[in-house]
Amino acid sequence: AQTVTQSQPEMSVQEAETVTLSCTYDTSESDYYLFWYKQPPSRQMILVIRQEAYKQQNATENRFSVNFQKAAKSFSLKISDSQLGDAAMYFCAYRGNYGQNFVFGPGTRLSVLP
Amino acid sequence: DVKVTQSSRYLVKRTGEKVFLECVQDMDHENMFWYRQDPGLGLRLIYFSYDVKMKEKGDIPEGYSVSREKKERFSLILESTSTNQTSMYLCASSSEAGGPYEQYFGPGTRLTVT
Repeated sequence: AQTVTQSQPEMSVQEAETVTLSCTYDTSESDYYLFWYKQPPSRQMILVIRQEAYKQQNATENRFSVNFQKAAKSFSLKISDSQLGDAAMYFCAYRGNYGQNFVFGPGTRLSVLP
Repeated sequence: DVKVTQSSRYLVKRTGEKVFLECVQDMDHENMFWYRQDPGLGLRLIYFSYDVKMKEKGDIPEGYSVSREKKERFSLILESTSTNQTSMYLCASSSEAGGPYEQYFGPGTRLTVT
């Protein structure tokens, strides 16, 4: 069975600085999808960024980018120019190519310090 | 924009009461999911449905049942609540058309069982 690990339960970053959240996963599949979701306090979970495993190029969405290392089964999220609104729980998620289910990591709580 | 709504944001129930949580999505998605979210454990899948009247058990189905009579609606039923079912319940939906199959989440229902 696939597993997703986020080794940092909590992290903090100074406003305008850069922070990297770690995620590793375990799978025997070669085709799959990886996601980072953000859950602000008392607000809805939203997608931050996604990566298809067959794509070698790392995904980027504005200030958010990933470092996808397929061989190492690592999928880290980099947030540049951190803003107060980035404070949230961040979840890494995996979905295999054959099946509808996601596997979520335990989450990392990110605090942004003014 | 995809919209996923849940019938209640907060619920307080006594042990043994029946609870009915409803989720509605407006994007004609085939797949719908129910998760519970607990600190340090991330999101754990209770049940999912890939079509009307179809359901599959997730990782923690014990004590729960589901119903999907219409494509847009997926209900989670707790027949006789217990205190260990105090949690945040999240509904999500996704499409199988194309990819990469991201899940869209509702705002969550925080259930407290006393």
